[in-house]
Order: sequence, then structure tokens, then C-alpha cells
Amino acid sequence: QKEVEQNSGPLSVPEGAIASLNCTYSDRVSQSFFWYRQYSGKSPELIMSIYSNGDKEDGRFTAQLNKASQYVSLLIRDSQPSDSATYLCAVKGSKTSYDKVIFGPGTSLSVIP
Amino acid sequence: DADVTQTPRNRITKTGKRIMLECSQTKGHDRMYWYRQDPGLGLRLIYYSFDVKDINKGEISDGYSVSRQAQAKFSLSLESAIPNQTALYFCATSDSGTGNYGYTFGSGTRLTVV
Repeated sequence: QKEVEQNSGPLSVPEGAIASLNCTYSDRVSQSFFWYRQYSGKSPELIMSIYSNGDKEDGRFTAQLNKASQYVSLLIRDSQPSDSATYLCAVKGSKTSYDKVIFGPGTSLSVIP
Repeated sequence: DADVTQTPRNRITKTGKRIMLECSQTKGHDRMYWYRQDPGLGLRLIYYSFDVKDINKGEISDGYSVSRQAQAKFSLSLESAIPNQTALYFCATSDSGTGNYGYTFGSGTRLTVV
């Protein structure tokens, strides 16, 4: 089992819809969770971090964390063509000897005008 | 100016050559990392450094070495480049003091080994 799993996509949604991106992780003691957005040929950019169970909202983005199910998701409301990118889920464990962050393979999102 | 600067942006080199990728940052972060990104494999950690005197191997350090010349500078060397080191390389930084473990990435170096 891979440590951090995401559907590779591509996920296509119409403009204005809600895009839902999902991520599961295997390390049960993970404490910190991140979503990065990466445009084609560009570097990843941190868009959300979440550390406790529940929802965290920032503008059109909502991160949801369920540690019992080892599941983290990212919702993008009112999706725009500019949201078309690959979204990377990243998970940081707390019981390791160093600041180890594992990245998922990413989900490609395409927002259709 | 970018917070995390990588040079060069693109490089083509021949098999067997030694090459250095450089990273400098103005964010004042203490931790620096080198990742490579390959299609379908995602981001994989090569080396990381928590301060100038601390260097650690990541998942895929074979064939690579690093130097932390100052808190702001972290370079990656390929001692004898081989074609399967063709990839997109990213430097990243983080700040251990804030409790926010998110990374700031440089713009990347696209390396091709022929």
C-alpha cells in the first residue's frame, strides 16, 4: 500500500461546480496535512494546511480531515478555469525521527468553461 | 525576486558529467530540501538539511550529494550523471519555528541527461 494515495484523474468539472479531491494515507499517527496546487511546468504552491479533524475553509477552498478514516479531502467551490492544475496531497508524520513529508502522486483537475 | 531561487532553470548534460544545481532562499527558513519529480512517481525526497551542520539522506540519495554552504544556500550535485536522473528538481524550504510545516518551493530545474 502506498503511503499517500490519490486518484490520478483527470477530474473534469464544469465552471461554477464544486470540485472534490480525495486523499488517503496509511500512517495512522500522521498529524499534519497539506494540499498543494501545481500548474503544468511550475512548482507546487501550498494552498491549504489542516491539523485537526473537521473542516477548514479559506475562500473557495475547504479542507476536510477525518483521522479515524485516514482521509483528507479538498473541496473547491465555484470552480474556475484557473483552478485547472494538479493537486498534491501531502502528509507529515509525527512519530518519525525527522520532518518527513510524503507527497501523493497528485490529481489532475480540469475545469471546463 | 523569488523567495526560493534555483539555478539553472534548464540544463542538458551528458552522461558521466558532474553537475551542480543551486538553491538560495531569502525567507530565513532553517530547513531546506531537495526533491525530484517524475511523471507518475510524484515528488521524492533526495536530501534534507535542518541547519548548516545537519545533512540527511532522503528516499533516493544514491548518485547525489549535497552541500549546505550557509543557512540560505543548499546545493545538489550529481557526481556522474546518468540518463535516469533526467527529471524536474525542486528545492524547498520550511520554518521549524512557526509550527506550520508547509513548504515553499523554488521554481525548479529541468535536467536532461543525454
